[in-house]
Amino acid sequence: GAVVSQHPSWVICKSGTSVKIECRSLDFQATTMFWYRQFPKQSLMLMATSNEGSKATYEQGVEKDKFLINHASLTLSTLTVTSAHPEDSSFYICSASTRLAQSGNSPLHFGNGTRLTVT
Amino acid sequence: AQSVAQPEDQVNVAEGNPLTVKCTYSVSGNPYLFWYVQYPNRGLQFLLKYITGDNLVKGSYGFEAEFNKSQTSFHLKKPSALVSDSALYFCAVRANQAGTALIFGKGTTLSVSS
Repeated sequence: GAVVSQHPSWVICKSGTSVKIECRSLDFQATTMFWYRQFPKQSLMLMATSNEGSKATYEQGVEKDKFLINHASLTLSTLTVTSAHPEDSSFYICSASTRLAQSGNSPLHFGNGTRLTVT
Repeated sequence: AQSVAQPEDQVNVAEGNPLTVKCTYSVSGNPYLFWYVQYPNRGLQFLLKYITGDNLVKGSYGFEAEFNKSQTSFHLKKPSALVSDSALYFCAVRANQAGTALIFGKGTTLSVSS
């Protein structure tokens, strides 16, 4: 149980275009989803926390107008990288917290990540 | 603020030998600690967690971790390493609060040689 599906797994786009990444909880309702970014051989950096039906909360230094997050339902959150540039190339990973396990003692479930390359 | 430190960028062990991947933490209040493993170009897989109770926590794939409050450590261990254990390992902490994210250490690459 607790499967998180992330799509696409990889994408190559040209500079200036926008890319949408989807994160779905397949067998549970995710009230909260988290978006992370990972640079090569580095840790996961939290970008934003997404709560269903409300605006995402962005971490300091993350441009909310560049990284648009929508969490319209309990099973889907999307991250749109707008006007992508080569420096946005990275590995983006989403994770979800089950509806019944909102306290901190439950593990998060992660998607398999999206490798974005901007040329 | 919560933080996690993994002092080793890489750990090398021979197959069949015990392995330890170190993690120390800094939190206010009771720590909720986790270990995850990541294979290349994949997401993270949950290995184990410490919430309360026994200091020795057993998890997936034969891994275990020992919580040490006085040393603020939560080292990951396995009695006998396998080549297939080679991966990137992350220690993480989470607050006991609804809707909070995991805060990760920088990760440790484990390399098991045959």
